Amino acid sequence: ETGVTQSPTHLIKTRGQQVTLRCSSQSGHNTVSWYQQALGQGPQFIFQYYREEENGRGNFPPRFSGLQFPNYSSELNVNALELDDSALYLCASSLTGFTGELFFGEGSRLTVL
Amino acid sequence: RKEVEQDPGPFNVPEGATVAFNCTYSNSASQSFFWYRQDCRKEPKLLMSVYSSGNEDGRFTAQLNRASQYISLLIRDSKLSDSATYLCVVNHPNYGQNFVFGPGTRLSVLP
Repeated sequence: ETGVTQSPTHLIKTRGQQVTLRCSSQSGHNTVSWYQQALGQGPQFIFQYYREEENGRGNFPPRFSGLQFPNYSSELNVNALELDDSALYLCASSLTGFTGELFFGEGSRLTVL
Repeated sequence: RKEVEQDPGPFNVPEGATVAFNCTYSNSASQSFFWYRQDCRKEPKLLMSVYSSGNEDGRFTAQLNRASQYISLLIRDSKLSDSATYLCVVNHPNYGQNFVFGPGTRLSVLP
């Protein structure tokens, strides 16, 4: 158990809808990173939040956005869902974000129909 | 070129075999290197960091060649429990030094 919790665990949406995924970081961790993992592929970096500010972003369009709250929990929001957004969304918390180990939650599996 | 590339796999090996995984990364400014392990339908977990001089953790040995931008993982005396996907991870300056994962190499250790 990493202490990182994500919700919901599974959800189904239709194209064009919006989704919010939530993550509670491990106690004491101030950095949260989000990854998208399509079936059979490695996790793709979406963005990282450190002390409530975005601290690096991967090659994802602006319809992927996020927040980090003062308690270091985080949300990932995806607008205008597309079929290709179907994936496992993983949240990882860490102490420093650059050199520290990433502790992953079990993920939220999103299916877009 | 992709930021991190790995052997496509899958690797199917008998128990007790030695298996090696290869990984290359694109950005010479990368400074942090790791191997993660992901079991089927589970989240990735850190297996080991990779240091410039090479490092060993029990049956696992990691090597780094900065000049070739190449990382390797060697598993000796494979166990059934080693069956998993092995992910090569590198920090990437273009993404605020955040971690970029390779596509993974799947290993199945057979009895």
